[in-house]
Amino acid sequence: AQKVTQAQTEISVVEKEDVTLDCVYETRDTTYYLFWYKQPPSGELVFLIRRNSFDEQNEISGRYSWNFQKSTSSFNFTITASQVVDSAVYFCALLSGGYNKLIFGAGTRLAVHP
Amino acid sequence: EPEVTQTPSHQVTQMGQEVILRCVPISNHLYFYWYRQILGQKVEFLVSFYNNEISEKSEIFDDQFSVERPDGSNFTLKIRSTKLEDSAMYFCASSGTLNTEAFFGQGTRLTVV
Repeated sequence: AQKVTQAQTEISVVEKEDVTLDCVYETRDTTYYLFWYKQPPSGELVFLIRRNSFDEQNEISGRYSWNFQKSTSSFNFTITASQVVDSAVYFCALLSGGYNKLIFGAGTRLAVHP
Repeated sequence: EPEVTQTPSHQVTQMGQEVILRCVPISNHLYFYWYRQILGQKVEFLVSFYNNEISEKSEIFDDQFSVERPDGSNFTLKIRSTKLEDSAMYFCASSGTLNTEAFFGQGTRLTVV
């Protein structure tokens, strides 16, 4: 069975703090894809990153970085020097099996306070 | 930048009524999806559509639901007889190929009263 667990329901930080959002996934497939999406208060889902199971290189994009570790089935997301505009719900998702559907975690609500 | 657009942004309907949610996927995309998110909960897959037919559907997608691509640009989700528990945000998404990122529309908030 495929499953995504985001154990942190809510995180609250003060601006400029670094914050890491955890994501643990389960799948029996050897080929799979992992994603992060951001859902700001306006409600839309914004694509942030896609990773395939064969590429364990960490990625950095501006203040965002992602740490993919197959050994622990984790795909964690770090925001460096957080800003108020980062306040949103962040979803980790898995594409596996039939490759036709995203399986989302429950999401982590991040609140960044000035 | 190309985007997925959904209409309406908010729809209120009476229980038992039919609703049609509309989506215009990104123009060169081939795979289309509907997801839903009950308020405060996770995003759940409903159905995927490729080559004018359903390629996968979830347990939620029962006989009350149907999808259609009536022309070259629109992709619709119909709920035949709405129930209170159908109240949710419905997201349309599209992707260019398999295994690539899906781009989501802004969602349609459906409220069944």
